[in-house]
Amino acid sequence: DGGITQSPKYLFRKEGQNVTLSCEQNLNHDAMYWYRQDPGQGLRLIYYSQIVNDFQKGDIAEGYSVSREKKESFPLTVTSAQKNPTAFYLCASSIYLAGGADTQYFGPGTRLTVL
Amino acid sequence: SQKIEQNSEALNIQEGKTATLTCNYTNYSPAYLQWYRQDPGRGPVFLLLIRENEKEKRKERLKVTFDTTLKQSLFHITASQPADSATYLCALGDTGGFKTIFGAGTRLFVKA
Repeated sequence: DGGITQSPKYLFRKEGQNVTLSCEQNLNHDAMYWYRQDPGQGLRLIYYSQIVNDFQKGDIAEGYSVSREKKESFPLTVTSAQKNPTAFYLCASSIYLAGGADTQYFGPGTRLTVL
Repeated sequence: SQKIEQNSEALNIQEGKTATLTCNYTNYSPAYLQWYRQDPGRGPVFLLLIRENEKEKRKERLKVTFDTTLKQSLFHITASQPADSATYLCALGDTGGFKTIFGAGTRLFVKA
């Protein structure tokens, strides 16, 4: 059964704590992404990775960090420097289609709440 | 800056009717446009992709148009069903790029 898994589904964190969100895929996709979704806003790109051991900042990378040590895994750490971390976090991977388009496959998401 | 606009107001229609959702964009020349479906508390699911040189694409009850002059895409669901109720996201992308820009989505409610 191929797909993307994220864990946990719900996560609560106290202010000042770092927390890591897990993302695993078995689709053999090279590219992986992390997005943040807030009510009334489009998905905003945090980080993306095109290949193992390489990743790039997205539009809102401040306060977040990632690693890509394996093709299947792309964990996201929300650090205490992120000023407003409460949000729905989505991980995705993509397949590169002929002609230059890529379609993204999303995980089920992790809802992070800072108490 | 690049901007995608989708109607923030929910669309309410009767079962069996055609739902039409709009996606407008500015300051961007996308190579392709995609539509995704998102159910509450879940990740988006890819529905259709249309390229800049295509005017229309169909898949079962779904139809997408892409007008690069108007900078607009229309997404149609014919013979709508209550199970079609969800939020629909528009997304734009560039050739060879790894950054897709997503709209905020339009919520569709189909009443039985």
